[in-house]
Amino acid sequence: DIQMTQSPSSLSASVGDRLTITCRASQGISNYLAWYQQKPGKVPKLLIYSASTLQSGVPSRFSGSGSGTDFTLTISSLQPEDVATYYCQKYNSAPLTFGGGTKVEIK
Amino acid sequence: EVQLVESGGGLVQPGGSLRLSCAASGFTISSYWMHWVRQAPGKGLVWVSRISGDGTTTHYADSVKGRFTISRDNAKNTLYLQMNSLRAEDTAVYYCHYFWSDYWGQGTLVTVSS
Repeated sequence: DIQMTQSPSSLSASVGDRLTITCRASQGISNYLAWYQQKPGKVPKLLIYSASTLQSGVPSRFSGSGSGTDFTLTISSLQPEDVATYYCQKYNSAPLTFGGGTKVEIK
Repeated sequence: EVQLVESGGGLVQPGGSLRLSCAASGFTISSYWMHWVRQAPGKGLVWVSRISGDGTTTHYADSVKGRFTISRDNAKNTLYLQMNSLRAEDTAVYYCHYFWSDYWGQGTLVTVSS
């Protein structure tokens, strides 16, 4: 099965900083990659699908890129409401594995 | 308004069984693949299983294969997860999920403990 590895596992940044989270697949998955945001005590929320397509209603400071095995989620200007854990998920075929998550905090 | 409402969670002893249900409203599940995702306390998301719209095709995570069975009753607009031979490591909040529109239930907590 394909493994999904996210890095870093956590990070702390200042409001306004640019952040990049990486997700690596152990085999190529084309662009079948989604990114989710999960705030404490809440259900996950889809941010990006097809590696780079922004879900409707998601702020434009979020962007995704990549194809094959290497993917990134970028927050161009971190806001206080972005404090959350972010997960990638492959969906080219079962199992639809999630990455381990990246916890984002404000300095 | 779309709602997915899970039920059936609770405390069960190791080796026991539970059946989770996910009732959909405002959304007809019959045409769509549906998923179960779980999250152990303080841990990350783990995909568990999925089932095709007509119920003929199912997939499972290795960790639950042979113990869990996903099913659906499209007439009742409801998704199920039969969980047998439960282990402590199955303790988690279980969510039903429709991937393409990102519909999630609120989750139901399953606790496996003696």
